[in-house]
Amino acid sequence: DAKTTQPNSMESNEEEPVHLPCNHSTISGTDYIHWYRQLPSQGPEYVIHGLTSNVNNRMASLAIAEDRKSSTLILHRATLRDAAVYYCILRGSSNTGKLIFGQGTTLQVKP
Amino acid sequence: KAGVTQTPRYLIKTRGQQVTLSCSPISGHRSVSWYQQTPGQGLQFLFEYFSETQRNKGNFPGRFSGRQFSNSRSEMNVSTLELGDSALYLCASSLAKGADLYEQYFGPGTRLTVT
Repeated sequence: DAKTTQPNSMESNEEEPVHLPCNHSTISGTDYIHWYRQLPSQGPEYVIHGLTSNVNNRMASLAIAEDRKSSTLILHRATLRDAAVYYCILRGSSNTGKLIFGQGTTLQVKP
Repeated sequence: KAGVTQTPRYLIKTRGQQVTLSCSPISGHRSVSWYQQTPGQGLQFLFEYFSETQRNKGNFPGRFSGRQFSNSRSEMNVSTLELGDSALYLCASSLAKGADLYEQYFGPGTRLTVT
């Protein structure tokens, strides 16, 4: 299974944009990049995913490098509720219902 | 639509005992995955069930087992409990239709403490 590397922690100020990086240099051509986050005392929740093109949804944007060896999750205006652990996960078609979580990035949002 | 529910939410067991945890997926979801979360190892995949069949398995000893019923509800069982089995056990469901990449929806988890 391809591995991802994320910073252990990041800080942001409320209402400012946050860019959460993820390196995945061994990504294969058919691996999708997924992001999940886990708020305190809750189960993880899906944030966004993409393959090659940048993606946007109501929660965030995902910017994928042209060589696909890295990606960035963008929260456009961080709120206190966005304080969580963010996981970058690669999913291939053979993984089906298996998510391989790394250590993730703990995001602190300061008021 | 109701989310993923897990019962019980908290459980205290003694070493050597066995335990069964239950998960009810979102209506219409046929895939159920189980994860163990500990401070030391983080979130680790246990197994996945799809249409009553185990489709994927993580690296856990045989003491950890599961099953899925025809209504997609799932149970996991841990036999001969060890102190190291103390963890948050999370269940997730997805629409999953074969090899797919549908997002998983997680329940709140069952906190198991082994004394």
